[in-house]
Amino acid sequence: SQTIHQWPATLVQPVGSPLSLECTVEGTSNPNLYWYRQAAGRGLQLLFYSVGIGQISSEVPQNLSASRPQDRQFILSSKKLLLSDSGFYLCAWSGNRDRADEKLFFGSGTQLSVL
Amino acid sequence: SQQGEEDPQALSIQEGENATMNCSYKTSINNLQWYRQNSGRGLVHLILIRSNEREKHSGRLRVTLDTSKKSSSLLITASRAADTASYFCATDGYSGAGSYQLTFGKGTKLSVIP
Repeated sequence: SQTIHQWPATLVQPVGSPLSLECTVEGTSNPNLYWYRQAAGRGLQLLFYSVGIGQISSEVPQNLSASRPQDRQFILSSKKLLLSDSGFYLCAWSGNRDRADEKLFFGSGTQLSVL
Repeated sequence: SQQGEEDPQALSIQEGENATMNCSYKTSINNLQWYRQNSGRGLVHLILIRSNEREKHSGRLRVTLDTSKKSSSLLITASRAADTASYFCATDGYSGAGSYQLTFGKGTKLSVIP
């Protein structure tokens, strides 16, 4: 069966520090991978998605970047965190992004607090 | 981009009662999905309804879709305390780059009181 791992679960970082969140998927190959951010009391905002190794699409201009060095690994990074980067970050995968009926499978999330 | 908007934002009911949440969206869709999120956790897919379907059931869940009104509802029957969570609708949208994306609403926070 497929599983998705996301870590760390919580993170407190000072403003201006770097960030690296990692997400890995097991039990499937060539998944579509996503990073979402959820601000308190708000919906999910799609940040990045990837349909393959080295292929990253950005949905929102921001202080963050994403990379996919391996088929089932997706990394969210920042060189210098801002206060506004605080939020709940969720990694997700789906089987085939070219189909309109694919559901997403989410990781357990990372609560990032930038102080 | 189109976005589902859930209504109400928060709902508090007694255990055993039914809970109804609504979702409205702006443009045509291929399907609409409902997800559940326990506090501080990731989202879990509940049910998908296609644009040519009007109603779908899964256990205690009943989803309706009215494409003419661009709205959907999620009904949870005989609610339990364990149903306490936030519920999100998500609509698909063609990204224009040969693929689809899901856009989520802000969710309905359901509290079921024992």
